[in-house]
Amino acid sequence: GDSVTQMEGPVTLSEEAFLTINCTYTATGYPSLFWYVQYPGEGLQLLLKATKADDKGSNKGFEATYRKETTSFHLEKGSVQVSDSAVYFCATATGANSKLTFGKGITLSVRP
Amino acid sequence: EAGVAQSPRYKIIEKRQSVAFWCNPISGHATLYWYQQILGQGPKLLIQFQNNGVVDDSQLPKDRFSAERLKGVDSTLKIQPAKLEDSAVYLCASRTYRAPGELFFGEGSRLTVL
Repeated sequence: GDSVTQMEGPVTLSEEAFLTINCTYTATGYPSLFWYVQYPGEGLQLLLKATKADDKGSNKGFEATYRKETTSFHLEKGSVQVSDSAVYFCATATGANSKLTFGKGITLSVRP
Repeated sequence: EAGVAQSPRYKIIEKRQSVAFWCNPISGHATLYWYQQILGQGPKLLIQFQNNGVVDDSQLPKDRFSAERLKGVDSTLKIQPAKLEDSAVYLCASRTYRAPGELFFGEGSRLTVL
């Protein structure tokens, strides 16, 4: 089955710093790739997605590019804000049922 | 648009007791999921419904876990008897048929088994 590996956390940054969160995957077939975010006290929500190689997903200043050759989908943001403090999950979906497989998640804390 | 509703938000029980969680998905969403999220891990799929039929329950511990989705709307997840390792957050999610992988999650039900 699919598996997703995320870099170890937690990550603590100062406001306006550059953010990269690494994500690599293994999948049978051609997966769609996702980043989900969980803000404190809230449910998981979709942040961005990409469905084919070289696609770039983007939302709220975050970006991630589907790299098939390196099986990666790293999340980046040029200038983080305190409000970006949350847990970020990378995920894949493959198969007829589009089963979503999550990584372990990484906690991001942004200091003012 | 109302989101995915779950209850209860918190539940504390002793091992070998039973517990049930309820989920009401977003109106019109045919696909419903139950995930288990253990502290420090990503969500793990327990069961997926399409309308009121089971699509995938390969990771559901069927000796103690059961789930149903009567009439293709609300769903309940039951654990009986509970074990210590069942302590986790149980997440319900739903989606439209046309958006694979784009799930809408509820806030979860946190279970503590003592």
